[in-house]
Amino acid sequence: DIVMTQTPLSSPVTLGQPASISCRSSQSLVHSDGNTYLSWLQQRPGQPPRLLIYKISNRFSGVPDRFSGSGAGTDFTLKISRVEAEDVGVYYCMQATQFPLTFGGGTKVEIK
Amino acid sequence: EVQLVESGGGLVQPGGSLRLSCASSGFTFSSYWMSWVRQAPGKGLEWVANIKQDGGEKYYVDSVKGRFTISRDNAKNSLYLQMNSLRAEDTAVYYCARVGSGYDYYWGQGTLVTVSS
Repeated sequence: DIVMTQTPLSSPVTLGQPASISCRSSQSLVHSDGNTYLSWLQQRPGQPPRLLIYKISNRFSGVPDRFSGSGAGTDFTLKISRVEAEDVGVYYCMQATQFPLTFGGGTKVEIK
Repeated sequence: EVQLVESGGGLVQPGGSLRLSCASSGFTFSSYWMSWVRQAPGKGLEWVANIKQDGGEKYYVDSVKGRFTISRDNAKNSLYLQMNSLRAEDTAVYYCARVGSGYDYYWGQGTLVTVSS
């Protein structure tokens, strides 16, 4: 199984400042079809997960452009350019390149 | 508007069975892979199962193989998860999700399953 490792576990951020979350996979996420199925999810307190980014850097419908994804192979990053109060929650990376699909352990974003 | 509404969760004894349902609307259900993902209380996300558009391919996480069965009824725009031989460690919120072509997951609100005596 592909192991997804996220850092940091927790990220206290000042409102209006940037935040960055890293995700590393135990093997390359490049699929045989050439795509890399790495997604980022946001889970606000008491809410279901919500897709932010898919295939490394594609923002899902309705996601603000302050969220961006980058990376390749085994190393990926989610960046929030200016953190807002509504961004508080847990962020997960997820790989869908190979079954079983696996998730990172989560990064908690909170306001300082 | 895309909607996924899970139902069927509840309290069940160890060794018991439960059938979850996910009613969909706002998109062409038969055109999408569908998925179940769960989240134990206070824990992270765990993928459970996927099913192809026509039900011809199914994939499961090892921990539920032989106990859980994913199925769908395209005429009813519904996804199901039959859960047998339930264990305490199956206690979780179960989410139904639509799987886009980019493996972009659109999530339902979830239904809580509690396995306890």
